[in-house]
Amino acid sequence: DAGITQSPRHKVTETGTPVTLRCHQTENHRYMYWYRQDPGHGLRLIHYSYGVKDTDKGEVSDGYSVSRSKTEDFLLTLESATSSQTSVYFCAIRSGLAGGRRTDTQYFGPGTRLTVL
Amino acid sequence: AQSVTQPDIHITVSEGASLELRCNYSYGATPYLFWYVQSPGQGLQLLLKYFSGDTLVQGIKGFEAEFKRSQSSFNLRKPSVHWSDAAEYFCAVGQGGAQKLVFGQGTRLTINP
Repeated sequence: DAGITQSPRHKVTETGTPVTLRCHQTENHRYMYWYRQDPGHGLRLIHYSYGVKDTDKGEVSDGYSVSRSKTEDFLLTLESATSSQTSVYFCAIRSGLAGGRRTDTQYFGPGTRLTVL
Repeated sequence: AQSVTQPDIHITVSEGASLELRCNYSYGATPYLFWYVQSPGQGLQLLLKYFSGDTLVQGIKGFEAEFKRSQSSFNLRKPSVHWSDAAEYFCAVGQGGAQKLVFGQGTRLTINP
């Protein structure tokens, strides 16, 4: 499981409330990613981080913000949750970067199921 | 923009039968291709990846995939499926230096006993 945990694993919230999801890794990987999974869309990248305080947008970043104040934690925040953000959220880490393309691979956490009512 | 297409949303095969899941990609350079599997309620597990060299890639659980540049395809195969292979399968391409993954829509595999 590449030492990735996500919290909470399940959350139900109401429209308009702020929500923060946490991804925690134990292996000091530089890159971390947030994806969302929706039926018919596979997984889509929301934001990623390439170091402490270094983040960038992905394909579906509107309505989301992220923060990375220390290597091990990557936080995803929905400032004002909407029903369209009901989804399963996966965090991933990039491992094996030093070994080049042969070992460079992303590994995924267990996911957080978020329901916005 | 890069894209990945998995033409089959749902496939049903009998246990012991052979399997092929299709994946087509759009990418300008030499692609970095992946197959992941997701069991119900679980995260994604890497089955195999192509990064260069041999076009036939071996993975875990008896899976293999063949990269065909001329057809922009990276199809996943298994000679004999087991009931435990029932899951959803995702093809993905890595994009750019940050290796942002672009996923296909997924193929759900059902195994008949």
